[in-house]
Amino acid sequence: QKEVEQDPGPLSVPEGAIVSLNCTYSNSAFQYFMWYRQYSRKGPELLMYTYSSGNKEDGRFTAQVDKSSKYISLFIRDSQPSDSATYLCAMSWAGGTSYGKLTFGQGTILTVHP
Amino acid sequence: NAGVTQTPKFRILKIGQSMTLQCTQDMNHNYMYWYRQDPGMGLKLIYYSVGAGITDKGEVPNGYNVSRSTTEDFPLRLELAAPSQTSVYFCASSYATGTIGTQYFGPGTRLLVL
Repeated sequence: QKEVEQDPGPLSVPEGAIVSLNCTYSNSAFQYFMWYRQYSRKGPELLMYTYSSGNKEDGRFTAQVDKSSKYISLFIRDSQPSDSATYLCAMSWAGGTSYGKLTFGQGTILTVHP
Repeated sequence: NAGVTQTPKFRILKIGQSMTLQCTQDMNHNYMYWYRQDPGMGLKLIYYSVGAGITDKGEVPNGYNVSRSTTEDFPLRLELAAPSQTSVYFCASSYATGTIGTQYFGPGTRLLVL
C-alpha cells in the first residue's frame, strides 16, 4: 500500500463547476498537509497548507483535513480554465530526520473547459 | 530574486554516459531537495540536504550522487545513465524553520536516456 493515494484522473469539468480533489494516507504521523499546483512543463507551486485537522479557505479554494479518516480534500469553487493543471497532495511530519521531507500523491490532472 | 534555477532544461544522454544537473537558489534556504517525476507517479525524493556539507538519501537514491559545498548550489550527478533514469528532475529549496511544506521548486530538467 502506498503511503499517499491520489486518484490520477483525468478530471474534466465545465467552467464554473465545483471541483473536489482527494487524497488518502496511511501514516498517522503526518501532521502537515499541502496542495501543490503544477502547470504543464512547470515546477509545482504551493497552493494551500494546513496543519493538523480542520478547514482552511483561500479565495475559491478550500482545503479540508480529516485525520480520523486519514483523508484530505481540496475544493475549487467557480472553477476557471486557468485552474487547469495537475494538483498534487503532499504530507509531512516534523520528526527527527524526516523534518521538512514531503511525501507526494500521484497527482490529479484537472481540465476546466469553457 | 530568481528563486530556484535549474540547468539544463532538456538533455538527451546515451546509456552509460554521465552528467550533472545543476541547481541554484538565491533565497538563502538551508534545505534543498532533488525529486524525480515520472508520468502518473507523483514526485519521488532522490536526495536532500539540510545545509552545506550535509546530504542524505531519499526514497530513490540509487544511480545518483549529490554534493553541497555552498548554501546556494546543490548539483545532482548521474553516473552510468540508464533508460530507467528517463524522467523530469526537479530541485526544490525551503527554510530550515517556519512553515513545513513551503518548498520552492525550480522549472525542472527533462532527461531522456537512450
